[in-house]
Amino acid sequence: QVQLVQSGAEVRKPGASVKVSCKASGYPFSGYYIYWVRQAPGQGLEWMGRVNANTGDTDYAQTFEGRVTVTWDTSISTASIEVTRLNSDDTAMYFCARMRIWNGHYLDFWGQGTLVTVSS
Amino acid sequence: DIQMTQSPSSLSASVGDSVTISCRASQNIGTFLSWYQQKPGKAPQLLMYSGSSLQRGVPSRFSGSGAGTDFTLTISSLQPEDFATYYCQESFSTTGITFGPGTIVD
Repeated sequence: QVQLVQSGAEVRKPGASVKVSCKASGYPFSGYYIYWVRQAPGQGLEWMGRVNANTGDTDYAQTFEGRVTVTWDTSISTASIEVTRLNSDDTAMYFCARMRIWNGHYLDFWGQGTLVTVSS
Repeated sequence: DIQMTQSPSSLSASVGDSVTISCRASQNIGTFLSWYQQKPGKAPQLLMYSGSSLQRGVPSRFSGSGAGTDFTLTISSLQPEDFATYYCQESFSTTGITFGPGTIVD
């Protein structure tokens, strides 16, 4: 069955970086994007970026361009997101989710979420 | 950039009620509109896609309609497990997606 399993909770100080991973299984990876979506406490969903698991191509929301890097490692079928120059506003739950590349317009499977806390 | 709005931001309902949530896009997005349900501490779950297509496994009391800029999600007879937050999401752009701000059903 389809699974997206994310790495565990992280705590960082302001100015540091964090990398969250998302291991995929149970489906043909090359046909899908992995999206990253975050949710600050009590807030809504915010798209951050995506990686094409077939080509490795990436796209980013303008808000995060230059501060976020999304990657796909084919050898371990794992997507990762790295966020640099963290501040308290980056405290959030970070989710990965998949979307079909061809004619795909929805996120049909999600990871369980990874809580990132930024605190001095 | 496409902006998404939802109304109401929250609503109070009882088991058995019919509930309607609206979602509006800032430009024509065809039917590139999905709906998600999220419960506290959990990841969102896909309910509807392409405006009106029911995701496999989702109860038929959920329905979606609309095209262009205006969309609705209807829950025909609210069940206890339906108390949650609902988000719409557009995917018209080829380079990303945008979520609505959410509607809390309590």
